Amino acid sequence: NAGVTQTPKFRVLKTGQSMTLLCAQDMNHEYMYWYRQDPGMGLRLIHYSVGEGTTAKGEVPDGYNVSRLKKQNFLLGLESAAPSQTSVYFCASRDTLYYEQYFGPGTRLTVT
Amino acid sequence: GDSVTQMEGPVTLSEEAFLTINCTYTATGYPSLFWYVQYPGEGLQLLLKATKADDKGSNKGFEATYRKETTSFHLEKGSVQVSDSAVYFCALSVGSVNKFYFGSGTKLNVKP
Repeated sequence: NAGVTQTPKFRVLKTGQSMTLLCAQDMNHEYMYWYRQDPGMGLRLIHYSVGEGTTAKGEVPDGYNVSRLKKQNFLLGLESAAPSQTSVYFCASRDTLYYEQYFGPGTRLTVT
Repeated sequence: GDSVTQMEGPVTLSEEAFLTINCTYTATGYPSLFWYVQYPGEGLQLLLKATKADDKGSNKGFEATYRKETTSFHLEKGSVQVSDSAVYFCALSVGSVNKFYFGSGTKLNVKP
């Protein structure tokens, strides 16, 4: 099992450009999450999904959109990148029975 | 609202020293509590968890006890190793969709 994988690992964008981060999990988990990690602030929830075709806003959703067209994939989109979105992005998933979330290796995004 | 507060780092210890990282929480319901560890360049890995009051989570020599009366979940290890050097995150989860709230992280440096 690969667990949770994220694509790409690194990306540099210019202000105003768009991109999509892909998260894939092979554990048949229902719930998936996107977080951002900033120095001294821990992880903050951007959006989450409780199943295929569903999405919901987290703590810091502005400037991001998500889609969950397939159960195993959760996409995070930035339509018009801003320097404030420079961060490390983590995806996580969990099944419905257990509390712990499983994390991907992260995507380091820099917006100049 | 729900939140987690953990001691700021970095914490620098010599090998075989005793480790305590403090974590306190505020929660509106009955949270589950977690410690995650992040090694350089990697995602978060679950270290231990406790799902109800007085539960003790343990793994790899680390322990933490869910104290409802003091709303705390302090991480301890009797004898740290250089390989324990990492960033440690305390987290709580509440609600049916298992939203996680993370502390800001504590960096541990263990010197030989």
